[in-house]
Amino acid sequence: AQSVTQPDIHITVSEGASLELRCNYSYGATPYLFWYVQSPGQGLQLLLKYFSGDTLVQGIKGFEAEFKRSQSSFNLRKPSVHWSDAAEYFCAVGAGDSSYKLIFGSGTRLLVRP
Amino acid sequence: DVKVTQSSRYLVKRTGEKVFLECVQDMDHENMFWYRQDPGLGLRLIYFSYDVKMKEKGDIPEGYSVSREKKERFSLILESASTNQTSMYLCASSTPSSGGRGEQFFGPGTRLTVL
Repeated sequence: AQSVTQPDIHITVSEGASLELRCNYSYGATPYLFWYVQSPGQGLQLLLKYFSGDTLVQGIKGFEAEFKRSQSSFNLRKPSVHWSDAAEYFCAVGAGDSSYKLIFGSGTRLLVRP
Repeated sequence: DVKVTQSSRYLVKRTGEKVFLECVQDMDHENMFWYRQDPGLGLRLIYFSYDVKMKEKGDIPEGYSVSREKKERFSLILESASTNQTSMYLCASSTPSSGGRGEQFFGPGTRLTVL
């Protein structure tokens, strides 16, 4: 069965520092991969997605993610974090069947130090 | 601008009450989903629907039911609310025209407290 692991529950970075959030997935075929962000008290907003092609994907708000098949990873990166990036981040993989379901990781909460 | 709306942002109910959570999308999407979100557990799928009057159980359907009488509206029903159903509830929608890739659009969530 498909699964998604986000090994870091919390991450704290200083404003202006670089960021990498880890995501590992378990899936037999080529996965459909997503990163969502959730600001406090809000729903989820799509940051970026990978379906096929170029393994480095650009998203909104200056985020990017790299798909590495050999490592079953889809890590999210940002070169310089802003205080407004403090939020919870979810990695998800498409279930790949006709159900169109997504399998979500447990999330990583990002704290930004001024 | 595409939108998924949920009827309430905050809701407080008593144990044993019947609770309705409403979700409406204006994107003409075929698929709709209900999740609950709890700290450390991420999003867990309760029910989803492919089409009007169609529904499928997700991972944690116990204690919940759903209704989809119109394409744009998907309701989550707690038949007899219990304190362990205190949670954030998120509704989402998607369209099969994305090729089964599953991109979902989310509402703002309803934070339900059961006393």
